[in-house]
Amino acid sequence: AAGVIQSPRHLIKEKRETATLKCYPIPRHDTVYWYQQGPGQDPQFLISFYEKMQSDKGSIPDRFSAQQFSDYHSELNMSSLELGDSALYFCASSLLGTGGNEQFFGPGTRLTVL
Amino acid sequence: LAKTTQPISMDSYEGQEVNITCSHNNIATNDYITWYQQFPSQGPRFIIQGYKTKVTNEVASLFIPADRKSSTLSLPRVSLSDTAVYYCLVGDRDGGFKTIFGAGTRLFVKA
Repeated sequence: AAGVIQSPRHLIKEKRETATLKCYPIPRHDTVYWYQQGPGQDPQFLISFYEKMQSDKGSIPDRFSAQQFSDYHSELNMSSLELGDSALYFCASSLLGTGGNEQFFGPGTRLTVL
Repeated sequence: LAKTTQPISMDSYEGQEVNITCSHNNIATNDYITWYQQFPSQGPRFIIQGYKTKVTNEVASLFIPADRKSSTLSLPRVSLSDTAVYYCLVGDRDGGFKTIFGAGTRLFVKA
């Protein structure tokens, strides 16, 4: 079965650079979530989209922005990168209203800021 | 969103049954209880979800008392590969865009 795809899987950037993370949800899923997980930390909700519209925001820094496109893929744009942005970034997708809004997570993008 | 509280860590041995309890005193009427499992450097994986009483699937059981202020995830006959972090989440099933992962339970299964 198709799973959530994230690219790139690994990314190394310098401080103050920008980064773009991509997420391709499971086909027919209408909701995308982004999470940040620092070393030894629990996943922190950043932002979510339902039917291409932003649905909720969590602890997402102003330096970050995200959007969901017409084909339902989503991109997380990160600017003015800081050392503290080094983390695993997970994308998850779900289909609302069926089976309990179970979220399916991608393999993550490991971002390292030097 | 209801706050959840779980034990920070638990130890077990292979073949034993493991029960992880989550407290959610402020659970709302429309809230469901969902458990996820996470291995290092992997995304969380859905285990089970329930509203009340007992739910069972091929990997776990979820026990929810009548007052719904707590829930217990039961893993039968654990193996070494069940060593992971387990998260309890509480939220509205149909409106749950904002998902809050609290501090999970780190389960260590020993041989």
